[in-house]
Amino acid sequence: EVQLVESGGGLVQPGRSLRLSCTASGFTFGDYGMTWVRQAPGKGLEWVGFIRSKTYGGTTEYAASVKGRFTISRDDSKSIAYLQMNSLKTEDTAVYYCTRTAPRRDGYKSDYWGQGTLVTVSS
Amino acid sequence: DIVMTQTPLSSPVTLGQPASISCRSSQSLVHSDGNTYLSWLQQRPGQPPRLLIYKISNRFSGVPDRFSGSGAGTDFTLKISRVEAEDVGVYYCMQATQFPWTFGQGTKVEIK
Repeated sequence: EVQLVESGGGLVQPGRSLRLSCTASGFTFGDYGMTWVRQAPGKGLEWVGFIRSKTYGGTTEYAASVKGRFTISRDDSKSIAYLQMNSLKTEDTAVYYCTRTAPRRDGYKSDYWGQGTLVTVSS
Repeated sequence: DIVMTQTPLSSPVTLGQPASISCRSSQSLVHSDGNTYLSWLQQRPGQPPRLLIYKISNRFSGVPDRFSGSGAGTDFTLKISRVEAEDVGVYYCMQATQFPWTFGQGTKVEIK
């Protein structure tokens, strides 16, 4: 059974940093890209960024709103994807979801989602 | 960035009746490889999103066949043939043709 579990959320002051983890199980982690999506309280979904599998270079893409502040990485030996968030702003307050994303040849489908972890940026 | 516009934003539906949601993109979602990376997701209250449809019309594993997707280019539709109580929630279209990937605003489906 495919499972994704996010962790690392919490209350943080503006300007500080936080690292989220997404621990995967039930599939060969290295074969998939991973996507981070966030949802501010009462709002819609916002794409944060994506990391390709090592097969496709392990490169990353980011939304303009987080580029230069957030970094996505992966540790295939541990089946974990990370979202390093620096210089946090109050508008980064959201539930952060990680999703498994199939390669483009398989439709770029984000087919499994974690339950999410809440990040609150406030002084 | 590609802007995804959904209509309606709210859809009260009678149980057993059909529902339809439209999603329009600000530019064609046809990728240079010839595929169109348009997905539909469902988010039930208090739950994470769930993939329903990918590449316009492909139902994901375990998704009931009352859900169907169609469209091409810039205009796409999600149809629920007969709405059931468990279909209540917010539905999002999402494009993965061009970075940054983007979502529609969401359409809330509720029972009349």
